[in-house]
Amino acid sequence: GAVVSQHPSRVICKSGTSVKIECRSLDFQATTMFWYRQFPKKSLMLMATSNEGSKATYEQGVEKDKFLINHASLTLSTLTVTSAHPEDSSFYICSAKQGAMQAGELFFGEGSRLTVL
Amino acid sequence: GEDVEQSLFLSVREGDSSVINCTYTDSSSTYLYWYKQEPGAGLQLLTYIFSNMDMKQDQRLTVLLNKKDKHLSLRIADTQTGDSAIYFCAEIHQGGKLIFGQGTELSVKP
Repeated sequence: GAVVSQHPSRVICKSGTSVKIECRSLDFQATTMFWYRQFPKKSLMLMATSNEGSKATYEQGVEKDKFLINHASLTLSTLTVTSAHPEDSSFYICSAKQGAMQAGELFFGEGSRLTVL
Repeated sequence: GEDVEQSLFLSVREGDSSVINCTYTDSSSTYLYWYKQEPGAGLQLLTYIFSNMDMKQDQRLTVLLNKKDKHLSLRIADTQTGDSAIYFCAEIHQGGKLIFGQGTELSVKP
C-alpha cells in the first residue's frame, strides 16, 4: 500500500525554539494532507487541512501563527511549531489523500513526538 | 456535535472474541473506519465499511453497521495478545476530514 513518511519521528527542543515536521507521500501524489494532534491517551484532533499550492484551512481553536503549514509540492507538507512551549508537547500525525476521496485512500504517517523542555 | 464515542477500555482473555463499539454522529458519512494504534506508533487502517453495507468481514475482523442507530462495531475473533492496542473508529466528513472517537484500549490477557 501507499506509504506516508514523517520526519523526525522524535524531537526534543528547548522552549522558544521552532520545530519543523515533514510529511511525505512516498509513492503517490497527495493533493491533500491533514495534520492531527494527539495528546497522551486521547483521540486525534484535526488541526488543519493542507491543499497543495494553497493556504491551509485550520480548525477552530488552532492558532495559525503558531502552527505554520506549508504544502509546497504534491509529495511534501510541513508543519512548523513556532516558539514552542511545553504545552505544545504532543504526538503529531499527518495523513495524505490521493485524489478524490475513496475508502482506503487516506494514508497515515507514523507520527512525530515533540517534547518541549 | 461532532462527537464520535467509544468506551475507553476493554479487557478480554486470549482466544475470546472482542467487540468494540462506537456511535457516530454524521448520518451522511459515506465510509466509517477502524484504525489500530500500538504504543508510540502511528495509525494502521484495519478495515472500513461503506455506509450502504450492514456487515463486512475480513479474516478475524467483522464490522457491523446499524445506520438507524448510528452504531458501528468491530469484532475481533480469537483475540491474540498482539491485538492489544488502542482502536479508533472514525467517520469521514466532507473533504476527507476524519473525526475520531476517543479510542478503546484493548487489553488481552493470556
